[in-house]
Amino acid sequence: GQQVMQIPQYQHVQEGEDFTTYCNSSTTLSNIQWYKQRPGGHPVFLIQLVKSGEVKKQKRLTFQFGEAKKNSSLHITATQTTDVGTYFCEGGSYIPTFGRGTSLIVHP
Amino acid sequence: EAQVTQNPRYLITVTGKKLTVTCSQNMNHEYMSWYRQDPGLGLRQIYYSMNVEVTDKGDVPEGYKVSRKEKRNFPLILESPSPNQTSLYFCASSLNVEGQGSTGELFFGEGSRLTVL
Repeated sequence: GQQVMQIPQYQHVQEGEDFTTYCNSSTTLSNIQWYKQRPGGHPVFLIQLVKSGEVKKQKRLTFQFGEAKKNSSLHITATQTTDVGTYFCEGGSYIPTFGRGTSLIVHP
Repeated sequence: EAQVTQNPRYLITVTGKKLTVTCSQNMNHEYMSWYRQDPGLGLRQIYYSMNVEVTDKGDVPEGYKVSRKEKRNFPLILESPSPNQTSLYFCASSLNVEGQGSTGELFFGEGSRLTVL
């Protein structure tokens, strides 16, 4: 079945450094979603990417969908302590499949 | 306010004592799903439902049952809980357009933390 691999599992950064998490799917995705889960919270939808090569920005967050629609990335510029949490990608197909998530730890 | 409501939020129980975690959504979503979250393993799907009376197994269905008798509710049933079912459980819902499955944005409940002794 479809698998979505996400790396790294953890990332420690100093406040102000950049951060990137990557997702790779074993199959072509119809779309991909990104979620953020704050410590002690529940996953919250961030964005959806649908088109091949699509790039979307939300303030300091940049989301990319690969040309082959099998990989995606989330990049945060100049991290802040409010960015702390776990970021999940989810490969949209008939049944949503989540990556294992990347936990971002920001040191002030 | 659009929301997914789970109850209970916290529960400590003993092995073998049947329990039900309720999930209700007020967005008229067709698709609903249950996940469990364990450290290092991410979100693993237990069961999902495309619509009323339509349910199917996810990746880790053993030890769980579900039902979808009405659109808004999707309870998770543990007939005989065991300690390996100690976990954080999330219910989620989304639109299911023309039977094509989840269309993208999943709305999650706040989670139910279950401990089985």
